[in-house]
Amino acid sequence: EPEVTQTPSHQVTQMGQEVILRCVPISNHLYFYWYRQILGQKVEFLVSFYNNEISEKSEIFDDQFSVERPDGSNFTLKIRSTKLEDSAMYFCASSGQGFRGQPQHFGDGTRLSIL
Amino acid sequence: AQKVTQAQTEISVVEKEDVTLDCVYETRDTTYYLFWYKQPPSGELVFLIRRNSFDEQNEISGRYSWNFQKSTSSFNFTITASQVVDSAVYFCALSDSQGGSEKLVFGKGTKLTVNP
Repeated sequence: EPEVTQTPSHQVTQMGQEVILRCVPISNHLYFYWYRQILGQKVEFLVSFYNNEISEKSEIFDDQFSVERPDGSNFTLKIRSTKLEDSAMYFCASSGQGFRGQPQHFGDGTRLSIL
Repeated sequence: AQKVTQAQTEISVVEKEDVTLDCVYETRDTTYYLFWYKQPPSGELVFLIRRNSFDEQNEISGRYSWNFQKSTSSFNFTITASQVVDSAVYFCALSDSQGGSEKLVFGKGTKLTVNP
């Protein structure tokens, strides 16, 4: 069964550094999302992306964050200058085209630790 | 505003017991979608079920069943004859048309521990 893949599985970065999290969505999917989960808390929406542009973003997704689909397969989340509070599990998800309400399929996540 | 409430933070049962996980949602939309996801200790999010707002039929899949009641805005999940492998955090989520995309709004999750 097709999967969403995320790399790396764990990223350790010094505060203030830039970090790029990578995702390869399911190949025929058109809608892409990033979510984050601070340890022990609920999963929070960050941003949705469709047709090469952001369709919605949350209050968390401030100017330090950006997303890109640099080619036909990768979908990246960049954090420009990381803060301690950015430490979390980051999940990428994708869903297909067609009717509304299609389930989002999640990658295994990238655990980001900011020191 | 969209909101999902999972009032049970943690539940502990003994294997073979039945267990019901509660989910209550809020939305202004008449068309919306409800989901359950499982997060095992390994951390990934596994899709379990989707339900749209026009389909109030209950669904059964093996030991899992879901009870959707629009009158009480609830979408509860029952595991029959629980097994140790069911131990996980279970998230209920809502998607509607507010905001411009079909983002998922998650509840805080219910941690289920099934003891042998």
